[in-house]
Amino acid sequence: DSGVTQTPKHLITATGQRVTLRCSPRSGDLSVYWYQQSLDQGLQFLIQYYNGEERAKGNILERFSAQQFPDLHSELNLSSLELGDSALYFCASSVELDVGETQYFGPGTRLLVL
Amino acid sequence: GQSLEQPSEVTAVEGAIVQINCTYQTSGFYGLSWYQQHDGGAPTFLSYNALDGLEETGRFSSFLSRSDSYGYLLLQELQMKDSASYFCAVRPYNAGNNRKLIWGLGTSLAVNP
Repeated sequence: DSGVTQTPKHLITATGQRVTLRCSPRSGDLSVYWYQQSLDQGLQFLIQYYNGEERAKGNILERFSAQQFPDLHSELNLSSLELGDSALYFCASSVELDVGETQYFGPGTRLLVL
Repeated sequence: GQSLEQPSEVTAVEGAIVQINCTYQTSGFYGLSWYQQHDGGAPTFLSYNALDGLEETGRFSSFLSRSDSYGYLLLQELQMKDSASYFCAVRPYNAGNNRKLIWGLGTSLAVNP
C-alpha cells in the first residue's frame, strides 16, 4: 500500500459524458501527478500540481482539467468523453525534498467509455 | 528532443539473470529511476541512480553511465513473481521547478518455469 488513494476504482460511462477522478496523496506529500495508461501502453504524464498550484503540463487534452485543493487532494475532470479515453488513470505523489525523490502511485481508476 | 528507449519484451527462465537496458537522448538529467508494474497494478519504485555506477538492492541492481547515455536494470535469481513491466524514467535538468519525469515505454518481462 503506497498510501495514495484513488476513487473510484472503476468507472463505466458513455461517450459525451463528464467524470471526476479523485486522488488523495500520501500524508506530507505536496506534489500530485496524473498519468494516463492505455491498454499495453506506457505511462503518459498529464499534469502535476505542487501545493495547490499547477507545476507542469504534459500531454493533457483541452477536454481534461485538474486541480489540487488546500487539503492537497486532487481531482482530474474528463469531459466530452470519447471511446479513446478508456484507460487506467493513475495519480502519484511525492514529497519533493530533493531531486531524486520517489513517486508513489495510487491503485488507479479504470475508466471505460462505451 | 528527449526520449528513452527500452526493449519492448524480454523472456527469461526462473533462476536466471536478466538485464533490461535503457538508452536515452536528453541534454541532461538529475538521475535515472526504475519502476515495476504488474498487470493491472500500480507502478512501484525500484531504484534510483543519481551518479554513474551500480546501485544494489537485494536481487535488483541498477546501473548508470552518463557518458554512454545508458543505464540498465539487472534482475538476479529470477522468480515467477518478477514477471511484470519495467519502466525507466529521468527528470531533465530543463524541467525547472517541475518534477515531470520522462518515461520509457516499458519492457515486459516474462519469467518462465
